[in-house]
Amino acid sequence: TQLLEQSPQFLSIQEGENLTVYCNSSSVFSSLQWYRQEPGEGPVLLVTVVTGGEVKKLKRLTFQFGDARKDSSLHITAAQPGDTGLYLCAGKGYSGGGADGLTFGKGTHLIIQP
Amino acid sequence: DAGVIQSPRHEVTEMGQEVTLRCKPISGHNSLFWYRQTMMRGLELLIYFNNNVPIDDSGMPEDRFSAKMPNASFSTLKIQPSEPRDSAVYFCASSFGNLVSPLHFGNGTRLTVT
Repeated sequence: TQLLEQSPQFLSIQEGENLTVYCNSSSVFSSLQWYRQEPGEGPVLLVTVVTGGEVKKLKRLTFQFGDARKDSSLHITAAQPGDTGLYLCAGKGYSGGGADGLTFGKGTHLIIQP
Repeated sequence: DAGVIQSPRHEVTEMGQEVTLRCKPISGHNSLFWYRQTMMRGLELLIYFNNNVPIDDSGMPEDRFSAKMPNASFSTLKIQPSEPRDSAVYFCASSFGNLVSPLHFGNGTRLTVT
């Protein structure tokens, strides 16, 4: 079983601050995705990273995939109340082909206080 | 595009009763996934289908759980008999099933078994 550990589990900061959340595993993933979930809704994809060392930016959000493809980080600059939510990382393992279910971490509950 | 549609949104039932959750995936997606989410365990993959065929049901907790996908536009997850520990939010998701395609989640069914 491929496990993803996310840290911190909970984070509450003031508007305008920067933050980084982490996603770590002992397993190698072929790709890794970050999702954001709001109360009463399903997770929504933010980004997919595929190449070791890859960095992707989405406005104030910066995603990095570790060189060894075992870990990832999400950095938010100048956090805003609208960034509040549950941030989930999800890894896809290697297989012989076909669809694979993603393995999700338990997520980071982020609260941005105005 | 209406997205993934799940019904009902909420289900409250008594222990021992049969529960059926329903899902309509996004048209054209060939993979369908059932997940369960709790605070303790996060998002857990229960089962996934590729082209209507169950590929991996190793996440199904026990024989009380069963899932079917009779055609490309409909799937059900059935719990019989239900138990209080089955209380959770159940999500259905669909995708194109390749290495980088995202999962598109429905808004979930919140199940409470008393």
